[in-house]
Formats: sequence, structure tokens, C-alpha cells
Amino acid sequence: AQSVTQLGSHVSVSEGALVLLRCNYSSSVPPYLFWYVQYPNQGLQLLLKYTSAATLVKGINGFEAEFKKSETSFHLTKPSAHMSDAAEYFCAVSDSGGNEKLTFGTGTRLTIIP
Amino acid sequence: KAGVTQTPRYLIKTRGQQVTLSCSPISGHRSVSWYQQTPGQGLQFLFEYFSETQRNKGNFPGRFSGRQFSNSRSEMNVSTLELGDSALYLCASSFAAIAGTEAFFGQGTRLTVV
Repeated sequence: AQSVTQLGSHVSVSEGALVLLRCNYSSSVPPYLFWYVQYPNQGLQLLLKYTSAATLVKGINGFEAEFKKSETSFHLTKPSAHMSDAAEYFCAVSDSGGNEKLTFGTGTRLTIIP
Repeated sequence: KAGVTQTPRYLIKTRGQQVTLSCSPISGHRSVSWYQQTPGQGLQFLFEYFSETQRNKGNFPGRFSGRQFSNSRSEMNVSTLELGDSALYLCASSFAAIAGTEAFFGQGTRLTVV
């Protein structure tokens, strides 16, 4: 069974500082990995996805993530935090067999300190 | 291009009642998935429909059911509502022609059971 673990349910960073949100996955087959963001009372918006084409994936709003097979990690980063980045972030995994089911992590709430 | 539309946005129901939620996917998308989001359990997969057939089902009781119509619109039904069914129900659609295509989420239906 696939799973993802997000370390840190709450992360606070100062405006302009580096954002690092951690995600580790467990999968018996090559995974597809996703990062989604959720703003209050909204659905989920895709930030980026990994589908084995490249290990460094660039997404929207200046976010990027690096797939590291040796560490089974897919951490999300942004060089300089902006107030508008305050939201909840979810890492998710699906298998490579065309299965549309996403398994989500528990989420990380990002707070930006002015 | 219109996004995923979920109706209604908010619902209040009484224990024991039943409820039907609706989801209209992005035009051309054939896969519709449903997720339940609660503070305690996070995001949990309910089921996925593709071309009017249920392809995947999560670990929920039989009170939760769904269907998909020939135009790919989907409904989910919850019978004999319990207080614990209070949640944000999210619908996601994807093209699903190849593995790893991203899912696009609606804004959700907030169900409150009293």
C-alpha cells in the first residue's frame, strides 16, 4: 500500500525566508507524487507533480520539489516566502498503474510571519 | 475552461436523513473521484468513477454510494446520516487517459449533520 508522511503539521517562516515542507513516501511501485495547496474554505489546487520525467519539478507560484529515490522524499521548497503562501499544503501519491486514487498526507499548515 | 463545479456549497442535515451531492467535472474529463475531508481523519478517498463505472472504492460503509452519468457528471449519496459524516466533501476530475494525469478539485460541499 502506498502512503505519504508529512513531517510537521505546522511550519512558520518569516516573509522572505526559505520555505521547506517535508514529504516522504512509501510505495512498492514507481509512484506519481503531487503537492496540493488548500486555502481556507476552498478546494485543492495542484502546485506540481512528479511523473518520472525529471527529478527536479518546478510548479506554480515559485514552488519546486525534488524527487530523491534514495531518501524516498519529495520535499517542497520556495526560496522566498510571501504572505500569500499562507495555506495548508498536502503531499499525495498515486501508483503508476493508471489508478486515479490519491493517498494524501496529513497536511502542513504554513504560517508566514511578517 | 470551466473548473469542477460542486453543488451545493453548504448543507445542513439532520441525523438519519439522506443527502445527495453533485459534481460536474471539467469538460472532457472522464474520471471523477470523491474525497472526504475532516479535521480528525484528513483527506480520505471515497470512490472513483470512470465512464459510468466504479473503478475504485475506499474504506467507507455502504451508506456512502455514488454514480456517474453518461455526461460524466457524478453524484454521491449518503444515507442514514450520522454526526460523524459532517465534513467537507471534495470532488476531483481528471482526464485519466494516461497514468499520472493530475486531478482538478472543486471547492467542495460542506456538510453539517445536526
